[in-house]
Amino acid sequence: EIVLTQSPDFQSVTPKEKVTITCRASQSIGSSLHWYQQKPDQSPKLLIKYASQSISGVPSRFSGSGSGTDFTLTINSLEAEDAAAYYCHQSSSLPYTFGQGTKLEIK
Amino acid sequence: QLQLQESGPGLVKPSETLSLTCTVSGGSISSSSYYWGWIRQPPGKGLEWIGSIYYSGSTYYNPSLKSRVTISVDTSKNQFSLKLSSVTAADTAVYYCASVEHDAQLGEWGQGTLVTVSS
Repeated sequence: EIVLTQSPDFQSVTPKEKVTITCRASQSIGSSLHWYQQKPDQSPKLLIKYASQSISGVPSRFSGSGSGTDFTLTINSLEAEDAAAYYCHQSSSLPYTFGQGTKLEIK
Repeated sequence: QLQLQESGPGLVKPSETLSLTCTVSGGSISSSSYYWGWIRQPPGKGLEWIGSIYYSGSTYYNPSLKSRVTISVDTSKNQFSLKLSSVTAADTAVYYCASVEHDAQLGEWGQGTLVTVSS
């Protein structure tokens, strides 16, 4: 089973800051890495697919990069509505797995 | 746009079987573009992949749950279902159904349903 490790677990940030969340895979997964945002009491929402591909309707301040074992989700100019938990997910190898999540708090 | 909606009991007794159904609207469950998945999230915790099914009936189950899980599809009703047997308190979670696009990313999610295992 591929283990995904996110860092940090928690981050408190101010609006307009640039935020970087990392996801490291226990073995190479190519670009089969996807990012989700989960706001309180809501279901997760797909933000980025295949490491860096944008999703229609997702604000352009969200971007992704990486391949192999190291991946990054970047949020440029953070907004108050971005307070949420963020999860990475790999579809390279069964069983599909998720990172433990990163919780973003807006100061 | 696809929409998914979970339904089923919110309370299940220990040792019994949890049964949930996901109804798909806005598209056909028989589309070749999708698998259909179940994911769960214990209160305050992260996400766990339970398994997925193709419209043909081909399934994949997480090995950690495989002995207790059955996922089935009813194309005539545009629904797929989850059964989890011999539940314990550790199975208490919000259960989500989702579309699995090209057997990869989870494009659309249901709103989730909380299932509590308690006597």
